[in-house]
Amino acid sequence: AQSVTQLDSQVPVFEEAPVELRCNYSSSVSVYLFWYVQYPNQGLQLLLKYLSGSTLVESINGFEAEFNKSQTSFHLRKPSVHISDTAEYFCAVSYRSARQLTFGSGTQLTVLP
Amino acid sequence: ETGVTQSPTHLIKTRGQQVTLRCSSQSGHNTVSWYQQALGQGPQFIFQYYREEENGRGNFPPRFSGLQFPNYSSELNVNALELDDSALYLCASRPATSTNYGYTFGSGTRLTVV
Repeated sequence: AQSVTQLDSQVPVFEEAPVELRCNYSSSVSVYLFWYVQYPNQGLQLLLKYLSGSTLVESINGFEAEFNKSQTSFHLRKPSVHISDTAEYFCAVSYRSARQLTFGSGTQLTVLP
Repeated sequence: ETGVTQSPTHLIKTRGQQVTLRCSSQSGHNTVSWYQQALGQGPQFIFQYYREEENGRGNFPPRFSGLQFPNYSSELNVNALELDDSALYLCASRPATSTNYGYTFGSGTRLTVV
Protein backbone atom coordinates (compact mmCIF):
# COMPACT_ATOMS: atom_id res chain seq x y z
CA ALA A 1 0.00 0.00 0.00
CA GLN A 2 1.05 3.53 -0.68
CA SER A 3 2.08 5.75 2.20
CA VAL A 4 3.49 9.25 2.46
CA THR A 5 5.56 10.54 5.37
CA GLN A 6 5.99 14.22 6.02
CA LEU A 7 8.76 14.32 8.55
CA ASP A 8 7.98 17.69 10.12
CA SER A 9 4.53 18.59 11.41
CA GLN A 10 5.48 22.23 12.03
CA VAL A 11 8.18 24.38 10.47
CA PRO A 12 8.65 27.94 11.77
CA VAL A 13 10.96 30.12 9.70
CA PHE A 14 11.77 33.81 9.51
CA GLU A 15 10.76 35.88 6.52
CA GLU A 16 13.26 35.82 3.62
CA ALA A 17 14.95 32.69 5.00
CA PRO A 18 15.11 29.46 2.96
CA VAL A 19 12.87 26.52 3.82
CA GLU A 20 12.67 22.80 3.04
CA LEU A 21 9.59 20.68 3.72
CA ARG A 22 10.41 17.01 3.62
CA CYS A 23 8.36 14.23 2.04
CA ASN A 24 9.10 10.54 1.61
CA TYR A 25 6.87 7.96 -0.04
CA SER A 26 6.80 4.20 0.18
CA SER A 27 6.01 3.00 -3.30
CA SER A 28 8.76 1.57 -5.47
CA VAL A 29 6.74 1.56 -8.68
CA SER A 30 6.04 4.44 -11.00
CA VAL A 31 4.15 7.20 -9.26
CA TYR A 32 2.90 10.71 -9.71
CA LEU A 33 3.95 13.13 -6.94
CA PHE A 34 2.27 16.32 -5.82
CA TRP A 35 2.47 19.16 -3.35
CA TYR A 36 -0.75 20.87 -2.32
CA VAL A 37 -1.20 23.98 -0.17
CA GLN A 38 -4.14 24.66 2.13
CA TYR A 39 -4.85 28.10 3.55
CA PRO A 40 -7.14 28.40 6.61
CA ASN A 41 -10.77 27.53 5.90
CA GLN A 42 -10.02 26.72 2.29
CA GLY A 43 -9.67 23.63 0.12
CA LEU A 44 -6.50 22.27 -1.42
CA GLN A 45 -4.64 24.08 -4.17
CA LEU A 46 -2.15 22.26 -6.38
CA LEU A 47 1.29 23.80 -5.91
CA LEU A 48 3.36 21.59 -8.22
CA LYS A 49 3.56 18.07 -9.58
CA TYR A 50 6.00 15.52 -10.91
CA LEU A 51 4.68 13.21 -13.62
CA SER A 52 7.76 12.32 -15.66
CA GLY A 53 10.79 13.89 -17.27
CA SER A 54 12.91 16.43 -15.41
CA THR A 55 13.24 15.54 -11.74
CA LEU A 56 13.16 19.21 -10.71
CA VAL A 57 9.76 20.86 -10.90
CA GLU A 58 8.87 24.46 -10.13
CA SER A 59 5.76 26.43 -9.19
CA ILE A 60 4.88 29.94 -10.32
CA ASN A 61 5.45 31.40 -6.83
CA GLY A 62 9.04 30.30 -6.31
CA PHE A 63 8.66 26.84 -4.79
CA GLU A 64 10.49 23.87 -6.28
CA ALA A 65 10.61 20.15 -5.55
CA GLU A 66 13.02 17.46 -6.64
CA PHE A 67 12.02 13.87 -7.31
CA ASN A 68 14.68 11.51 -5.94
CA LYS A 69 13.80 7.94 -6.93
CA SER A 70 16.66 6.27 -5.05
CA GLN A 71 15.67 7.97 -1.81
CA THR A 72 11.91 7.91 -2.58
CA SER A 73 11.72 11.56 -1.65
CA PHE A 74 10.03 14.66 -3.04
CA HIS A 75 11.14 17.53 -0.79
CA LEU A 76 9.72 21.02 -1.28
CA ARG A 77 12.04 24.02 -1.15
CA LYS A 78 11.90 27.79 -1.42
CA PRO A 79 15.02 29.97 -1.24
CA SER A 80 13.26 32.96 0.37
CA VAL A 81 9.85 32.75 2.06
CA HIS A 82 7.23 35.45 2.55
CA ILE A 83 4.62 35.97 5.24
CA SER A 84 1.98 34.99 2.68
CA ASP A 85 3.52 31.50 2.39
CA THR A 86 2.16 30.66 5.85
CA ALA A 87 -0.13 27.67 5.26
CA GLU A 88 -0.42 23.88 5.58
CA TYR A 89 1.44 21.94 2.91
CA PHE A 90 0.54 18.40 1.90
CA CYS A 91 2.60 15.95 -0.09
CA ALA A 92 0.61 13.37 -2.08
CA VAL A 93 1.35 10.35 -4.23
CA SER A 94 -0.65 8.42 -6.78
CA TYR A 95 0.08 5.25 -8.70
CA ARG A 96 -0.17 5.96 -12.39
CA SER A 97 -3.01 3.46 -12.60
CA ALA A 98 -4.73 4.38 -9.33
CA ARG A 99 -7.81 6.45 -8.89
CA GLN A 100 -6.94 8.19 -5.65
CA LEU A 101 -4.37 10.45 -4.08
CA THR A 102 -2.65 9.33 -0.88
CA PHE A 103 -1.75 12.31 1.27
CA GLY A 104 0.79 12.84 4.01
CA SER A 105 -0.27 14.28 7.35
CA GLY A 106 0.80 17.78 6.40
CA THR A 107 3.40 20.34 7.45
CA GLN A 108 2.35 23.67 8.92
CA LEU A 109 4.71 26.33 7.59
CA THR A 110 4.68 29.49 9.69
CA VAL A 111 6.67 32.44 8.40
CA LEU A 112 7.67 34.85 11.15
CA PRO A 113 8.34 38.57 10.64
CA GLU B 1 -19.14 28.85 -13.67
CA THR B 2 -15.68 27.57 -12.78
CA GLY B 3 -14.36 25.68 -9.80
CA VAL B 4 -15.91 23.26 -7.34
CA THR B 5 -18.59 24.46 -4.93
CA GLN B 6 -19.55 22.58 -1.77
CA SER B 7 -22.52 23.10 0.50
CA PRO B 8 -23.11 23.66 3.29
CA THR B 9 -19.84 25.11 4.55
CA HIS B 10 -20.52 24.07 8.13
CA LEU B 11 -22.88 21.54 9.66
CA ILE B 12 -23.60 20.22 13.15
CA LYS B 13 -25.32 16.85 13.56
CA THR B 14 -26.13 14.53 16.43
CA ARG B 15 -24.67 11.04 16.72
CA GLY B 16 -26.87 8.50 14.94
CA GLN B 17 -28.31 10.99 12.46
CA GLN B 18 -27.83 10.98 8.70
CA VAL B 19 -26.22 13.75 6.65
CA THR B 20 -26.00 14.70 2.98
CA LEU B 21 -23.18 16.87 1.68
CA ARG B 22 -23.32 18.40 -1.78
CA CYS B 23 -20.78 19.25 -4.44
CA SER B 24 -21.19 21.10 -7.71
CA SER B 25 -18.43 20.63 -10.27
CA GLN B 26 -17.73 22.62 -13.38
CA SER B 27 -19.08 21.53 -16.72
CA GLY B 28 -17.21 18.60 -18.25
CA HIS B 29 -15.86 17.31 -14.94
CA ASN B 30 -17.39 13.84 -14.99
CA THR B 31 -15.06 12.32 -12.41
CA VAL B 32 -15.53 13.27 -8.77
CA SER B 33 -13.77 12.08 -5.63
CA TRP B 34 -14.58 12.64 -1.97
CA TYR B 35 -12.01 12.91 0.81
CA GLN B 36 -12.29 13.08 4.60
CA GLN B 37 -9.82 15.32 6.42
CA ALA B 38 -9.81 14.86 10.18
CA LEU B 39 -8.33 17.62 12.31
CA GLY B 40 -4.55 17.68 12.06
CA GLN B 41 -4.41 15.00 9.39
CA GLY B 42 -4.14 14.74 5.63
CA PRO B 43 -7.18 13.99 3.46
CA GLN B 44 -8.20 10.34 3.18
CA PHE B 45 -9.83 8.97 0.04
CA ILE B 46 -13.45 7.90 0.52
CA PHE B 47 -14.59 7.01 -3.01
CA GLN B 48 -14.69 8.14 -6.63
CA TYR B 49 -17.51 8.34 -9.16
CA TYR B 50 -17.22 8.34 -12.93
CA ARG B 51 -20.27 8.80 -15.12
CA GLU B 52 -22.57 8.21 -12.16
CA GLU B 53 -20.98 4.90 -11.14
CA GLU B 54 -18.67 4.29 -8.18
CA ASN B 55 -15.31 3.12 -9.58
CA GLY B 56 -13.00 3.28 -6.59
CA ARG B 57 -13.35 3.17 -2.82
CA GLY B 58 -11.08 3.72 0.13
CA ASN B 59 -11.20 2.10 3.56
CA PHE B 60 -14.59 3.47 4.61
CA PRO B 61 -17.65 1.48 5.75
CA PRO B 62 -20.81 1.14 3.62
CA ARG B 63 -22.63 3.79 5.66
CA PHE B 64 -20.62 6.23 3.53
CA SER B 65 -22.32 6.34 0.15
CA GLY B 66 -22.55 8.68 -2.77
CA LEU B 67 -24.39 9.77 -5.84
CA GLN B 68 -23.32 11.57 -8.98
CA PHE B 69 -25.79 13.30 -11.28
CA PRO B 70 -25.68 14.13 -15.01
CA ASN B 71 -25.47 17.87 -14.26
CA TYR B 72 -21.97 17.44 -12.71
CA SER B 73 -23.25 17.62 -9.15
CA SER B 74 -22.72 14.93 -6.55
CA GLU B 75 -23.59 13.98 -2.99
CA LEU B 76 -21.91 12.27 -0.09
CA ASN B 77 -24.29 10.57 2.33
CA VAL B 78 -23.30 9.33 5.75
CA ASN B 79 -25.70 7.25 7.82
CA ALA B 80 -25.59 6.50 11.55
CA LEU B 81 -23.17 9.30 12.29
CA GLU B 82 -20.41 8.66 14.79
CA LEU B 83 -18.35 11.18 16.73
CA ASP B 84 -15.26 10.21 14.69
CA ASP B 85 -17.03 11.33 11.52
CA SER B 86 -16.35 14.91 12.57
CA ALA B 87 -14.04 16.22 9.85
CA LEU B 88 -13.67 18.45 6.81
CA TYR B 89 -15.12 16.71 3.76
CA LEU B 90 -13.56 17.66 0.46
CA CYS B 91 -14.91 17.14 -3.02
CA ALA B 92 -12.55 17.05 -5.99
CA SER B 93 -13.39 16.80 -9.66
CA ARG B 94 -11.65 16.53 -13.00
CA PRO B 95 -12.49 15.97 -16.64
CA ALA B 96 -12.14 12.44 -17.95
CA THR B 97 -9.34 13.47 -20.30
CA SER B 98 -6.85 14.15 -17.48
CA THR B 99 -5.36 11.88 -14.87
CA ASN B 100 -5.17 12.51 -11.15
CA TYR B 101 -3.13 15.65 -11.53
CA GLY B 102 -6.10 17.48 -13.02
CA TYR B 103 -8.21 17.49 -9.81
CA THR B 104 -9.82 20.72 -8.62
CA PHE B 105 -10.75 20.73 -4.93
CA GLY B 106 -13.64 22.52 -3.28
CA SER B 107 -13.33 24.43 -0.01
CA GLY B 108 -15.00 21.64 1.91
CA THR B 109 -17.83 21.09 4.37
CA ARG B 110 -16.92 21.13 8.05
CA LEU B 111 -19.05 18.45 9.77
CA THR B 112 -19.26 18.34 13.54
CA VAL B 113 -20.96 15.36 15.18
CA VAL B 114 -22.03 15.88 18.79
